[in-house]
Amino acid sequence: SQTIHQWPATLVQPVGSPLSLECTVEGTSNPNLYWYRQAAGRGLQLLFYSVGIGQISSEVPQNLSASRPQDRQFILSSKKLLLSDSGFYLCAWSPGAGLGGQQYFGPGTRLTVT
Amino acid sequence: GDSVTQMEGPVTLSEEACLTINCTYTATGYPSLFWYVQYPGEGLQLLLKATKADDKGSNKGFEATYRKETTSFHLEKGSVQVSDSAVYFCALTTTRGSQGNLIFGKGTKLSVKP
Repeated sequence: SQTIHQWPATLVQPVGSPLSLECTVEGTSNPNLYWYRQAAGRGLQLLFYSVGIGQISSEVPQNLSASRPQDRQFILSSKKLLLSDSGFYLCAWSPGAGLGGQQYFGPGTRLTVT
Repeated sequence: GDSVTQMEGPVTLSEEACLTINCTYTATGYPSLFWYVQYPGEGLQLLLKATKADDKGSNKGFEATYRKETTSFHLEKGSVQVSDSAVYFCALTTTRGSQGNLIFGKGTKLSVKP
């Protein structure tokens, strides 16, 4: 069966520090991968999605970036965190062969920027 | 563009009360519709889905019917439990280009009191 992992589970970082969040998927090949952010009191915002290695689409311009160095690995990064980057970050995957359809979510990373 | 509108929360109910969370959508074409649930501190889990008009999704006592004529997908449960306390997200997906991603409503927080 397929599983999705995210780490770390929680993170407290000072403003201006770098960020690296990792997401890995097991039990499937060529998944579509997604990064969402959920800010306090707000809905889910799609940040990035990827349909293959090295292919990243950005939905929202910001100081975050994403990379997909391997088929089942998706990394969210920042060179300098802002206070507004605080939130709950969710990684998700869906079966390949085109976008759309059900997505499966990881447990999330709670990021607090101080 | 495609969008999802769901009722504002929070919703507070007593155990065994009836629940309805309204969800309406705007989409070109024939989207698939989903309800996701997020328990405190966790990622999102698929609760139910419907892929075509008049389909009824159901799970754990929850139901929602895909109504094309009213562009709605309201979530219902006849008797809620304390364990149903969570945030509920309505979502749609299409398969057209970048809009093949999930589009979420803002979420409705449900609290069930014993």
